[in-house]
Amino acid sequence: DSGVTQTPKHLITATGQRVTLRCSPRSGDLSVYWYQQSLDQGLQFLIQYYNGEERAKGNILERFSAQQFPDLHSELNLSSLELGDSALYFCASSPRLSDYGYTFGSGTRLTVV
Amino acid sequence: AQSVTQLGSHVSVSEGALVLLRCNYSSSVPPYLFWYVQYPNQGLQLLLKYTTGATLVKGINGFEAEFKKSETSFHLTKPSAHMSDAAEYFCAVSALGTGGGNKLTFGTGTQLKVEL
Repeated sequence: DSGVTQTPKHLITATGQRVTLRCSPRSGDLSVYWYQQSLDQGLQFLIQYYNGEERAKGNILERFSAQQFPDLHSELNLSSLELGDSALYFCASSPRLSDYGYTFGSGTRLTVV
Repeated sequence: AQSVTQLGSHVSVSEGALVLLRCNYSSSVPPYLFWYVQYPNQGLQLLLKYTTGATLVKGINGFEAEFKKSETSFHLTKPSAHMSDAAEYFCAVSALGTGGGNKLTFGTGTQLKVEL
């Protein structure tokens, strides 16, 4: 157990729908990162939050959004889902803003049908 | 911009043989480099990292990597493979964003198979 908790572990939904993925960081970690892992794109950085504020942005689609709440958990919202959004979504956390090497959760596998 | 190239998407070794997984990077600034391992249906686990200082870095499970600036490489090695080493390995380079945040850019991964 890495200490980073992601729920749900698996999610199956239809095209056009909206889903919310949840992440609880390790105790004491202020930074949360979201990554997408797919067969064709590999591991792609989506976004980073630090203590409630967005701090780094990657190749995140406009249909996707994220936020970090005062209790430091984070949610990734995916809307107008397409077949190509099927992927593993990982959350990771670290103690500070610019840590080198962070701790990953076990991921949420999203299947869009 | 940073990028990582992992040579060989699949590597097969015999149990007890040397493991060598190759990683080359491109970075416009001094890089911070990482190796992660991913077991089936699990998240990524940090094996080792290079930030500054000694260029030979030792990690968990007997793995080590050497940062070679002249070759822009950060290859991962283990003297003697074990069946439990079978997994996918990712090399990554770190980049600081304008907002002070940090992101990892990953290579495409190398699947390591260990045979009896």
